[in-house]
Amino acid sequence: DAKTTQPNSMESNEEEPVHLPCNHSTISGTDYIHWYRQLPSQGPEYVIHGLTSNVNNRMASLAIAEDRKSSTLILHRATLRDAAVYYCILRESGNTGKLIFGQGTTLQVKP
Amino acid sequence: GAVVSQHPSWVICKSGTSVKIECRSLDFQATTMFWYRQFPKQSLMLMATSNEGSKATYEQGVEKDKFLINHASLTLSTLTVTSAHPEDSSFYICSASIAGVRAGELFFGEGSRLTVL
Repeated sequence: DAKTTQPNSMESNEEEPVHLPCNHSTISGTDYIHWYRQLPSQGPEYVIHGLTSNVNNRMASLAIAEDRKSSTLILHRATLRDAAVYYCILRESGNTGKLIFGQGTTLQVKP
Repeated sequence: GAVVSQHPSWVICKSGTSVKIECRSLDFQATTMFWYRQFPKQSLMLMATSNEGSKATYEQGVEKDKFLINHASLTLSTLTVTSAHPEDSSFYICSASIAGVRAGELFFGEGSRLTVL
C-alpha cells in the first residue's frame, strides 16, 4: 500500500486559510488521493478526493502537484469546528479499494 | 448524503462474552464494507474487508475466528467479537462505499465503543 506523510500537528487562527500538506511519493497511477477528518469519539468524515486535477467542494479545495507526489488540502476560512485530525490517504481504484489510515495531522484552530 | 449507521454506539460486557456490532447503510447499497478499530490517541487500523455474499478478507494479524464478520445483505454487515477480553476494548468503526462507484468516497459510521470488564 502506498504511504503518505503528513505533519503531526498544525495550528491556525480562526477565519484564516489553512494549508495541510501531504507527501505521497510512491503513489501509483491509479491511486486516488482522499482526505478525511475525524473529531474525537466520532467516525471519520469525508472531505474531498481527486486523481490528477485540483478539486473544489463546499468544504475544501484539493491542490494536487503535477507529478502527483504531493497534495495540499486547503480550508479557505478555518472555524473552530474545523479542529480535527485530518487524514490524507491513497485509495486504490475500484470499488473495493481500501483506505489505510496513517497518523494524520491534528489541526488546532485558535479563536 | 449517504448515511452509515452503527449499533450499538457503546456497549459494556463481561470478559468471555460475545458482542455483535451492526453496520447499516441506510440509503444506499454497499457491496463492500470495511471494519476498523481505533485505540485511544491512535489512528484507525483496518481489520477486514467485508464483501456481500462472500467471506471477509482479514488484514494480517487480525484473528478471523475472534472477529467474525458477516455481510448477508447489501445494506448490513455485522462484526462479532467472540469471547471478548479487556484488551479487545476499543472503538470499532465501519465504513462503506456506494456500489458501482469506483474509488469514490467512503462513508463512515459513528463508531461503537466496546468496553470489556
